Amino acid sequence: QQPVQSPQAVILREGEDAVINCSSSKALYSVHWYRQKHGEAPVFLMILLKGGEQKGHEKISASFNEKKQQSSLYLTASQLSYSGTYFCGTSRGANSKLTFGKGITLSVRP
Amino acid sequence: GAGVSQSPSNKVTEKGKDVELRCDPISGHTALYWYRQSLGQGLEFLIYFQGNSAPDKSGLPSDRFSAERTGGSVSTLTIQRTQQEDSAVYLCASSLVGGAGIEQYFGPGTRLTVT
Repeated sequence: QQPVQSPQAVILREGEDAVINCSSSKALYSVHWYRQKHGEAPVFLMILLKGGEQKGHEKISASFNEKKQQSSLYLTASQLSYSGTYFCGTSRGANSKLTFGKGITLSVRP
Repeated sequence: GAGVSQSPSNKVTEKGKDVELRCDPISGHTALYWYRQSLGQGLEFLIYFQGNSAPDKSGLPSDRFSAERTGGSVSTLTIQRTQQEDSAVYLCASSLVGGAGIEQYFGPGTRLTVT
């Protein structure tokens, strides 16, 4: 089942903060976050695993609420380079495929 | 090192023709994934190869779609008798090993247009 991402779009000024979310109605094993710039390949940002383990870039902050089956990605002091579409992908088991959401378009303006 | 590469980058074909899309994963990566991305949509899973295991084909939308991975490296996605609804960007990704706890590295994609 496809995870739901919210909000659909975010517009920020440089230096502002934002939180984007990814929710599932099913129990999850992992949540992946990727960012895709227009015309480019999605780039890995973060993995959050059931039980609390996280893997990702040091400058990226995220959380995974296992009770709510919701993950949030925190973008602080946003930079122009943060612009792009953010996808979350969720899995229900360690060997399961990822199911991706429709993405959140984030635009950072000077 | 080199990332995931895909070819061609763009493909325009007539309805009813067959097409082959190629993916070269990162060297040493044992897992390979194909996804389809339509305008305004997320990444739709198509197929997953992990080592010598039988591939997970659960995402292939019809029997017109098939994929193979030769020698545990290069993969080819074949679409037979293409339809206009097949128009999309086809993305390939690889990971060091399979599993939902491992990050995937994506290629630049092949934009397929069926006229």
